[in-house]
Amino acid sequence: EPEVTQTPSHQVTQMGQEVILRCVPISNHLYFYWYRQILGQKVEFLVSFYNNEISEKSEIFDDQFSVERPDGSNFTLKIRSTKLEDSAMYFCASSPLATQTQYFGPGTRLLVL
Amino acid sequence: AQSVTQPDIHITVSEGASLELRCNYSYGATPYLFWYVQSPGQGLQLLLKYFSGDTLVQGIKGFEAEFKRSQSSFNLRKPSVHWSDAAEYFCAVGARDSSYKLIFGSGTRLLVRP
Repeated sequence: EPEVTQTPSHQVTQMGQEVILRCVPISNHLYFYWYRQILGQKVEFLVSFYNNEISEKSEIFDDQFSVERPDGSNFTLKIRSTKLEDSAMYFCASSPLATQTQYFGPGTRLLVL
Repeated sequence: AQSVTQPDIHITVSEGASLELRCNYSYGATPYLFWYVQSPGQGLQLLLKYFSGDTLVQGIKGFEAEFKRSQSSFNLRKPSVHWSDAAEYFCAVGARDSSYKLIFGSGTRLLVRP
């Protein structure tokens, strides 16, 4: 069964460094999402992406964040200058259509020191 | 504003007992509704979903949920809990707008007594 994959599974970085989190959505899906979950808190929407552009972003998704679909398979989340409060689990999700189920990857646990 | 409330932070049940996890939502139209399960250190697995039609939906692992519009609820049930069901359960609303983003509740952690 196709699944969403994410790399790396864990990343440790120093405050102020740039990180890129990678996702490979399910191949025939058209809508892509990033969510994050700070330890012990709820899962929060960050951004949605369709047709090579952002369709919606949350107030969390400030200028330090960007997303890209550099080729036909990868979907990346870049944090330009990480802050301590960016430490969280980041989930990628994809769906075939906007109105259909989102399938989540296993997540990348980011720790900013 | 759209929101999801899961009033129980923790629930403990004995193995073999029945389970009901509560979920209430606030949304201006008929929502898409989901339950996801997250085992420790793992991602989110879809248990079941409601889009339209029959208000009682069946999911994987023997779970079911009932959409009650009048109560703005979508409670998750299982008649007999197994030890492997111990996990965190998230209810989510899918917003019917440009992005159909998911809005999650804060989760309910299920503990299962042997």
